Amino acid sequence: DVKVTQSSRYLVKRTGEKVFLECVQDMDHENMFWYRQDPGLGLRLIYFSYDVKMKEKGDIPEGYSVSREKKERFSLILESASTNQTSMYLCASKAGGLKNIQYFGAGTRLSVL
Amino acid sequence: DQQVKQNSPSLSVQEGRISILNCDYTNSMFDYFLWYKKYPAEGPTFLISISSIKDKNEDGRFTVFLNKSAKHLSLHIVPSQPGDSAVYFCAASDANNAGKSTFGDGTTLTVKP
Repeated sequence: DVKVTQSSRYLVKRTGEKVFLECVQDMDHENMFWYRQDPGLGLRLIYFSYDVKMKEKGDIPEGYSVSREKKERFSLILESASTNQTSMYLCASKAGGLKNIQYFGAGTRLSVL
Repeated sequence: DQQVKQNSPSLSVQEGRISILNCDYTNSMFDYFLWYKKYPAEGPTFLISISSIKDKNEDGRFTVFLNKSAKHLSLHIVPSQPGDSAVYFCAASDANNAGKSTFGDGTTLTVKP
């Protein structure tokens, strides 16, 4: 079974703090994704990576950056957290090929106060 | 411009009856469609998918129908069970888009005993 592990289930941070959300997958998948989920807005793509050190902006990259130094790990960075970044953050991974099935972590609920 | 839409935020059905969840899309380049199921405090999990070369795919109690001319797909669950109560996300992707998927806002299904 594919396992995608997000390092924290819940985080509480202060406005202006730098925040790191970590994600690790154990299936040697090429592609990894970061989404945020907000009520009524579904899953919105923040960033994705299709290889080590490769990244591409998603639909809502403003205020975020990412790092992928190793194939199994994809980090989401909030450079200076703001209250409007309070959300559920979901990491996913996907093998290469045409079947675009993504495997998700359990999510990190981030509160920025 | 929301390319994937689930117009019903919620649906309630009686146990044993059919649940029908609907999804519309606008991008004619989409060629692979997926349904994910999400329980509270968990990440989405893949449920069933369909390629644009088919109009139906069945897996046990779950069937997905695709109407390409109408740019519409639906998920049928027969018979519905209380354990099916969850949020269902429709997603669409195209082969030329690096494996990214575009998600709908989700439909919350409640199956009453």
